[in-house]
Amino acid sequence: SQQGEEDPQALSIQEGENATMNCSYKTSINNLQWYRQNSGRGLVHLILIRSNEREKHSGRLRVTLDTSKKSSSLLITASRAADTASYFCATDVRAAGNKLTFGGGTRVLVKP
Amino acid sequence: DVKVTQSSRYLVKRTGEKVFLECVQDMDHENMFWYRQDPGLGLRLIYFSYDVKMKEKGDIPEGYSVSREKKERFSLILESASTNQTSMYLCASRSRVSWGELFFGEGSRLTVL
Repeated sequence: SQQGEEDPQALSIQEGENATMNCSYKTSINNLQWYRQNSGRGLVHLILIRSNEREKHSGRLRVTLDTSKKSSSLLITASRAADTASYFCATDVRAAGNKLTFGGGTRVLVKP
Repeated sequence: DVKVTQSSRYLVKRTGEKVFLECVQDMDHENMFWYRQDPGLGLRLIYFSYDVKMKEKGDIPEGYSVSREKKERFSLILESASTNQTSMYLCASRSRVSWGELFFGEGSRLTVL
């Protein structure tokens, strides 16, 4: 089973609105990362949050991490049509070796 | 600009053919990975390598093998392609030191007829 699972699976919003997606995981992590994937392309790294951090910002992105609940959220503020993509969380578990485990992703559609 | 290059964006092969997917990175990364991506299943790790000539099985290694003869190159091999191996294949790399981000290639979409 997957370590990280995103919720919702799909999200449709109007340009200018905020988009929030969540990621839950099962085991203790070293860090958690969020990636973006445009249709038919490779993944691009967005942000990394370490297990001892609670919140991190990068431009219009805000990521939170709650290790007690084993969950993370990604907030995209003031969304743009160009934010239309799939977003994945990935967990880095030191005990699992040097590999990341990805969730199923959230498909985000931003309507102009 | 850092880069992970996958040799083929689109391939069409027949059942039973041997298939090679090549991946090259120019960042001197120790770790390289092969994932496959299927709708509704996310990315699943096939194999990874943490050094030249080293390899580790991921979550779904059956039907695949890999080769890492040089640091910059990681090849995924389908010895005898089957229709259930039709998928998007993604190569990635990262530095062993940083426990940081993965850098991905653009993907190789394989169709097995």
